[in-house]
Amino acid sequence: EAGVTQFPSHSVIEKGQTVTLRCDPISGHDNLYWYRRVMGKEIKFLLHFVKESKQDESGMPNNRFLAERTGGTYSTLKVQPAELEDSGVYFCASSQPGTASSYEQYFGPGTRLTVT
Amino acid sequence: LAKTTQPISMDSYEGQEVNITCSHNNIATNDYITWYQQFPSQGPRFIIQGYKTKVTNEVASLFIPADRKSSTLSLPRVSLSDTAVYYCLVGIKGSSNTGKLIFGQGTTLQVKP
Repeated sequence: EAGVTQFPSHSVIEKGQTVTLRCDPISGHDNLYWYRRVMGKEIKFLLHFVKESKQDESGMPNNRFLAERTGGTYSTLKVQPAELEDSGVYFCASSQPGTASSYEQYFGPGTRLTVT
Repeated sequence: LAKTTQPISMDSYEGQEVNITCSHNNIATNDYITWYQQFPSQGPRFIIQGYKTKVTNEVASLFIPADRKSSTLSLPRVSLSDTAVYYCLVGIKGSSNTGKLIFGQGTTLQVKP
């Protein structure tokens, strides 16, 4: 069974540009999460989808970040315009239906974003 | 989620048993204890989850005393490939929670030959 995949693995952009990160969850997983780790800090929750609906977006830092999950399958996270402090590793995770609170989430390898 | 405290780093040698203790003094009645492992350049990986006493799987054992204010992750006979960061998380397992994980700094385990 394929795990959670993320694309790209690494992105380098200039301040002010736009970047879109993609996450493909494990097939059949209704729950999809985005997390990020900025340099020297802890992994922080960004938001949670249940199918195509945003269940919790309390961790989104500001309106420069837009997450979508069309059709309840893959998800994208767009940063527009990117700022230097957005640099970090963005992780996506998914979990099975009905287990949103079980804390057993499957993480992708992450996308390393560098804003210069 | 309850705040957790764990050592920043630990060293061990191949073949030894490693025990990583996590303190969670403010754990609530409905909270479960979950451990994740993260290798460099990878996402965190679920290891084990428990509520009380002892839980064991093919990877590790989790020991939880009666007062549940701490827990110990036990890794039997570690190898170099067990070098990773280990996170202890405490939260509610129930329909009222979104499953949002709150990570602390974790414990960096370095296994030496």
